[in-house]
Amino acid sequence: KQEVTQIPAALSVPEGENLVLNCSFTDSAIYNLQWFRQDPGKGLTSLLLIQSSQREQTSGRLNASLDKSSGRSTLYIAASQPGDSATYLCAVLTDSWGKLQFGAGTQVVVTP
Amino acid sequence: EAQVTQNPRYLITVTGKKLTVTCSQNMNHEYMSWYRQDPGLGLRQIYYSMNVEVTDKGDVPEGYKVSRKEKRNFPLILESPSPNQTSLYFCASSPGRAQFFGPGTRLTVL
Repeated sequence: KQEVTQIPAALSVPEGENLVLNCSFTDSAIYNLQWFRQDPGKGLTSLLLIQSSQREQTSGRLNASLDKSSGRSTLYIAASQPGDSATYLCAVLTDSWGKLQFGAGTQVVVTP
Repeated sequence: EAQVTQNPRYLITVTGKKLTVTCSQNMNHEYMSWYRQDPGLGLRQIYYSMNVEVTDKGDVPEGYKVSRKEKRNFPLILESPSPNQTSLYFCASSPGRAQFFGPGTRLTVL
């Protein structure tokens, strides 16, 4: 059974530092990997989606890499801002339609 | 605007009182699913539906029912809610691969 792990569970950095969030998964047979952002009590906002054939995706200050063979993905957020404070979730797509297996998330606090 | 809507957004109820959480999408997606989110456990899939009248269990289906009579709607039914079903619930829809999530329903069962 696919298991997704995110370490650390929580992270606090000063404004301006780069953020590095890790996600690992046990079964490399995935269709894609998505990174989401969740603000307290709110829904999920999709940040980046990496197809299984891709190595990375970029959007603005965000960059996500995928190493399927080793079962790892990393989300980099450059020059962090207080507005980046949120919980970041990674999820792998385990079938061709839509079953997502989520990690428990990394709670990020960026201090001014 | 393309979206997934859920109602109600917040609900406090008592043990054993049947309730339904509605989910509707306007994107003509075939795939829809329900997740629950609990602290430290992440999101876990409850049920999913590949199309009208096609539903199947996810990882944590006990205590829940679903139906898919129309493509746009996928209600979640708790026939006899219990306190361990207190959680944050998300509905999602997908055309395949990428998923779109609703805003969530916070349910408290006393």
